[in-house]
Amino acid sequence: QQQVKQSPQSLIVQKGGISIINCAYENTAFDYFPWYQQFPGKGPALLIAIRPDVSEKKEGRFTISFNKSAKQFSLHIMDSQPGDSATYFCAAANDYKLSFGAGTTVTVRA
Amino acid sequence: KAGVTQTPRYLIKTRGQQVTLSCSPISGHRSVSWYQQTPGQGLQFLFEYFSETQRNKGNFPGRFSGRQFSNSRSEMNVSTLELGDSALYLCASSPRVSGELFFGEGSRLTVL
Repeated sequence: QQQVKQSPQSLIVQKGGISIINCAYENTAFDYFPWYQQFPGKGPALLIAIRPDVSEKKEGRFTISFNKSAKQFSLHIMDSQPGDSATYFCAAANDYKLSFGAGTTVTVRA
Repeated sequence: KAGVTQTPRYLIKTRGQQVTLSCSPISGHRSVSWYQQTPGQGLQFLFEYFSETQRNKGNFPGRFSGRQFSNSRSEMNVSTLELGDSALYLCASSPRVSGELFFGEGSRLTVL
């Protein structure tokens, strides 16, 4: 049973466009919501993270929006670049255990 | 600062054998976690160690085990390998924040 549901499975965006990935969770015990970026042949790398008492966090071109009442959060990648082409995983943490979404493969076309 | 180091990077085993994977965390990180990544099941939590104690365990059979040493290095072992154990096994270390993980590049296990 997947505790974090992620959509879409894949998306294609033009260079300079906006990529949006959505995640939803059920367990209200989750207290930390990170996003990871993974390139082929590499391990996931922490991209940005948010705690449930914050509704939005921005780091460079990456923004997390968090809706605690709806139990949803999303990643926005602004001004998408070809180098952003990767698989993105949302996750939710509780008690030093991460539950990951299924991943979204983002392809940025030049 | 060196990242998380996993060895071996690639290995091939046959059904019924056992395997031991090793992980050296980032210096100063005392929490080490293990995850299994497969195309079908995605990233799944195996276990987490802190100061040589297992604090949390995922839903994997007892064939999967791990340990952590006093220098924070960790090993995981899979006994009686099955074809379905073929996966990328990822180790991650963490400073203090739950969920703030720094992953290694993984050990890719193929079971024939």
